[in-house]
Amino acid sequence: EDKVVQSPLSLVVHEGDTVTLNCSYEVTNFRSLLWYKQEKKAPTFLFMLTSSGIEKKSGRLSSILDKKELFSILNITATQTGDSAVYLCAVRQNTGNQFYFGTGTSLTVIP
Amino acid sequence: NAGVTQTPKFQVLKTGQSMTLQCAQDMNHEYMSWYRQDPGMGLRLIHYSVGAGITDQGEVPNGYNVSRSTTEDFPLRLLSAAPSQTSVYFCASSYPLTGGRTEAFFGQGTRLTVV
Repeated sequence: EDKVVQSPLSLVVHEGDTVTLNCSYEVTNFRSLLWYKQEKKAPTFLFMLTSSGIEKKSGRLSSILDKKELFSILNITATQTGDSAVYLCAVRQNTGNQFYFGTGTSLTVIP
Repeated sequence: NAGVTQTPKFQVLKTGQSMTLQCAQDMNHEYMSWYRQDPGMGLRLIHYSVGAGITDQGEVPNGYNVSRSTTEDFPLRLLSAAPSQTSVYFCASSYPLTGGRTEAFFGQGTRLTVV
């Protein structure tokens, strides 16, 4: 059965801390892994990863994929209260329109 | 650039009522999907479409119907609402796999309560 597992389920940190969110997957016919940030409304796209070992970076956020070990991490450095959200990991298959989503990691950043 | 537009944003239904959630996208995406999001369950795929006239079931299709008469629109119909369908519903669209981009674009969501 295809699945995406995220850990931890929730995390509470203080402003300025660095956090690492994990995403492991068992999905046949892998095409890409995607990270989304979800605040109160719709998920917003952060990164798309298709190749192992190539880090994607956007400001204080970065992500990397390991296709051999079937996982990805999302790092957030110098966290701010505005980083508080649910972070979703999804894997898209190479056929059809299937995205498999994890249940998300809820991040709370305390001032 | 409107992106993916979902209506309504909120809805309360009585058990047994029917309704249609509307979804439209203006990005000429071939792929469109409907998800429901429940606490602790993540996003679960209800139905999806790979192009006009083509639809298929996802993980949790029971109690829902879809159609895709145009590229832009992908409505979701609840046939006879049940309390178990209380959820937040998201419509999403995405580029076909032949393109370089594979991310999904989401509508703002519909919070549905069935009483």
